[in-house]
Amino acid sequence: GAGVSQTPSNKVTEKGKYVELRCDPISGHTALYWYRQSLGQGPEFLIYFQGTGAADDSGLPNDRFFAVRPEGSVSTLKIQRTERGDSAVYLCASSSQGQPKVFGPGTRLTVL
Amino acid sequence: AQSVSQHNHHVILSEAASLELGCNYSYGGTVNLFWYVQYPGQHLQLLLKYFSGDPLVKGIKGFEAEFIKSKFSFNLRKPSVQWSDTAEYFCAVMRLGGYQKVTFGTGTKLQVIP
Repeated sequence: GAGVSQTPSNKVTEKGKYVELRCDPISGHTALYWYRQSLGQGPEFLIYFQGTGAADDSGLPNDRFFAVRPEGSVSTLKIQRTERGDSAVYLCASSSQGQPKVFGPGTRLTVL
Repeated sequence: AQSVSQHNHHVILSEAASLELGCNYSYGGTVNLFWYVQYPGQHLQLLLKYFSGDPLVKGIKGFEAEFIKSKFSFNLRKPSVQWSDTAEYFCAVMRLGGYQKVTFGTGTKLQVIP
């Protein structure tokens, strides 16, 4: 596609529920990144995929967070047992070798 | 761990005023440096980047930034701002050496008054 797309654009859930956030990167981009942006903060790195594998998942805050990219294209960020502190905008970005990241519009997650 | 500091959280300028937004980073090794911009209701977009070479880099819309290694700084400048420059600006740094993790600053909100 022309850009990185993310679905849903907004997600409201209750504390304790499970959510999945989807990212469709730019076609041909091998690198995919997830970031989280809390109110008043800059984006915070979560995880980086090169192809199908997670090359760096050091930013995932705890084991409730997990991400997959099974075919090296679309990625899903999964959050179990959501907490109010998980409320944020979740950003996805993709890039090709040596090129800057292109960011998607984000998914705004609200945990009530 | 690397960190990025943006000194100004909110800047208000009149049109045609000059802009300088400060950015300092903490990592002592080789880095790539970026400025991203987020216009109201839009995605994060790359404004300019420094990888190597000339420390004065020019980006889109008349923006430029100067990498001063001795000061660990990468300040963003524009000689004359326009109302359409109203946005949030993020400085970011990426360590070299196989790492792809980009660390962002907390952002500076720029408001340009017509």
